[in-house]
Amino acid sequence: EAGVAQSPRYKIIEKRQSVAFWCNPISGHATLYWYQQILGQGPKLLIQFQNNGVVDDSQLPKDRFSAERLKGVDSTLKIQPAKLEDSAVYLCASSRVTGKNTEAFFGQGTRLTVV
Amino acid sequence: GIQVEQSPPDLILQEGANSTLRCNFSDSVNNLQWFHQNPWGQLINLFYIPSGTKQNGRLSATTVATERYSLLYISSSQTTDSGVYFCAVNRAGGTSYGKLTFGQGTILTVHP
Repeated sequence: EAGVAQSPRYKIIEKRQSVAFWCNPISGHATLYWYQQILGQGPKLLIQFQNNGVVDDSQLPKDRFSAERLKGVDSTLKIQPAKLEDSAVYLCASSRVTGKNTEAFFGQGTRLTVV
Repeated sequence: GIQVEQSPPDLILQEGANSTLRCNFSDSVNNLQWFHQNPWGQLINLFYIPSGTKQNGRLSATTVATERYSLLYISSSQTTDSGVYFCAVNRAGGTSYGKLTFGQGTILTVHP
């Protein structure tokens, strides 16, 4: 089966510009996650969707970050305006919710550099 | 929130050597996963192991949930094993079912 697809792979923008990332989860996976990974650290959850509803966005900087998952499949994550500290890899993941098995699978990520 | 600690932070091996990576966590978990992050940044699933022992080729993992730790064993290491190994857990009883909290990772370097 196809894995989690993300685009673009790389993006360089100037501070105060806007940027958007796209994610297509594994077919049939109801849960979709966006994680931010700063260099040298483990990934941290930004937002979690169950179908097209938000389960957890407590760590999402809502003054500049937004995310949506229309129709419960694809998702976009937007940053507007970007700051230097937003430079990171943005990882999308998905999981199938069956019983207690919530094994997550990750896409290749989008490496964002803000200059 | 739940704390996840991995040790050692760095590990340097000669090809063919064996190693053990450890993950300690501070609360009960529903889910524990081990990942290998390759040099291109891709997180590769190694094990989904909330409890018990699993083996996959040269790799095996054991989670002792009652004592809140997990171990990843790498035998006969190869240069392609190099990269960062992450342990990630989902806290039992949390509001975000499925949310993973990651450790800081173990950086493994295998020399030929």
